[in-house]
Amino acid sequence: EAGVAQSPRYKIIEKRQSVAFWCNPISGHATLYWYQQILGQGPKLLIQFQNNGVVDDSQLPKDRFSAERLKGVDSTLKIQPAKLEDSAVYLCASSLQGGDNYGYTFGSGTRLTVV
Amino acid sequence: AQKVTQAQTEISVVEKEDVTLDCVYETRDTTYYLFWYKQPPSGELVFLIRRNSFDEQNEISGRYSWNFQKSTSSFNFTITASQVVDSAVYFCALSERSRLTFGEGTQLTVNP
Repeated sequence: EAGVAQSPRYKIIEKRQSVAFWCNPISGHATLYWYQQILGQGPKLLIQFQNNGVVDDSQLPKDRFSAERLKGVDSTLKIQPAKLEDSAVYLCASSLQGGDNYGYTFGSGTRLTVV
Repeated sequence: AQKVTQAQTEISVVEKEDVTLDCVYETRDTTYYLFWYKQPPSGELVFLIRRNSFDEQNEISGRYSWNFQKSTSSFNFTITASQVVDSAVYFCALSERSRLTFGEGTQLTVNP
């Protein structure tokens, strides 16, 4: 089966600009996650979707980050405006019906550099 | 709140040595899942193992083995006869209610 697809692979922007990342989960996977991985740290959960509904966005900096999963399939994560500290790899993961029972499959990530 | 601690930030060994990566977790739930992932320089997260909180049996897969001890909240990972290709960052992670919390990772370098 095809894996979790993410694009773009790399992105460089100036601070205060906007950026969007796209994720296409494995077909049929109801649960989708966005993680932020800052260099030298473990990934941290930003938001969790179940189908097209948000389950947990408690760690999402909502003043500048937004995410949507229209139609319960692919998802976009947006940052507006970007700050230097947003430089990180943004990982998307999906699961059939929640990672506890079905595990998590991660995409290759989008590496964002804010200059 | 759930928390995962990987006290070893970096480990360096010589090829063929055995190496153990430590992982200690905190949780208030009785049902949870523990994972190990490998992140090579290319950046993708490679799944290694998933264990549930009710299964304390140790597991061996080739050169990899895992020791789960609920009494000490630890889930340690041992690589036997390490190889240069094992060089990567290894993450331990805890999943509760389908939310995954990662440790900060251990950078393993295996020198020839």
